[in-house]
Amino acid sequence: GDSVTQMEGPVTLSEEAFLTINCTYTATGYPSLFWYVQYPGEGLQLLLKATKADDKGSNKGFEATYRKETTSFHLEKGSVQVSDSAVYFCALSKGTGGGNKLTFGTGTQLKVEL
Amino acid sequence: NAGVTQTPKFQVLKTGQSMTLQCAQDMNHNSMYWYRQDPGMGLRLIYYSASEGTTDKGEVPNGYNVSRLNKREFSLRLESAAPSQTSVYFCASMTTVRQPQHFGDGTRLSIL
Repeated sequence: GDSVTQMEGPVTLSEEAFLTINCTYTATGYPSLFWYVQYPGEGLQLLLKATKADDKGSNKGFEATYRKETTSFHLEKGSVQVSDSAVYFCALSKGTGGGNKLTFGTGTQLKVEL
Repeated sequence: NAGVTQTPKFQVLKTGQSMTLQCAQDMNHNSMYWYRQDPGMGLRLIYYSASEGTTDKGEVPNGYNVSRLNKREFSLRLESAAPSQTSVYFCASMTTVRQPQHFGDGTRLSIL
């Protein structure tokens, strides 16, 4: 079945450091890929998405490129802030019959310190 | 804009008690979903409703039932709560294929 693998956390960075959170997927067909962010005590919010190979999703300084050849969708940000501290989830959806279910990775906690 | 609204936000139950978690969305979305979130396991799908009038099992449906009351509302029922059902429950909705799901703020449920 479909699956998403994320790097283990927590990831601890100093403010203004470069961030990479790795995400790889296994799926047949052509899934859409998403990054969601969850701040403490809140629900998940969509951060960015990509729907086909070589698409780059971007939002709030975060970027991720859909790489079909490596089945990856790594999240990057050039300079993190304390306010970026949260849990980040990579997810895929195939948009086929069956309710377009999302398959999530286990999440990566990011802690940004001053 | 309310988006996806879940009630209650917190609940403590005793083993064997029953309760219903409510979810409503005001975005005219066709599909609705219930997930549970447990430490180290990400989000796992319990049940979903691809459209009004239909419901289907997800990855972890045992011990739960759902009702798609109308296009807006999708409830999750625990008939006889067990400690293993202690979790954070999220409801989500989506408009159409390949679009992102929109999530509520969650219900934090503890079963003693």
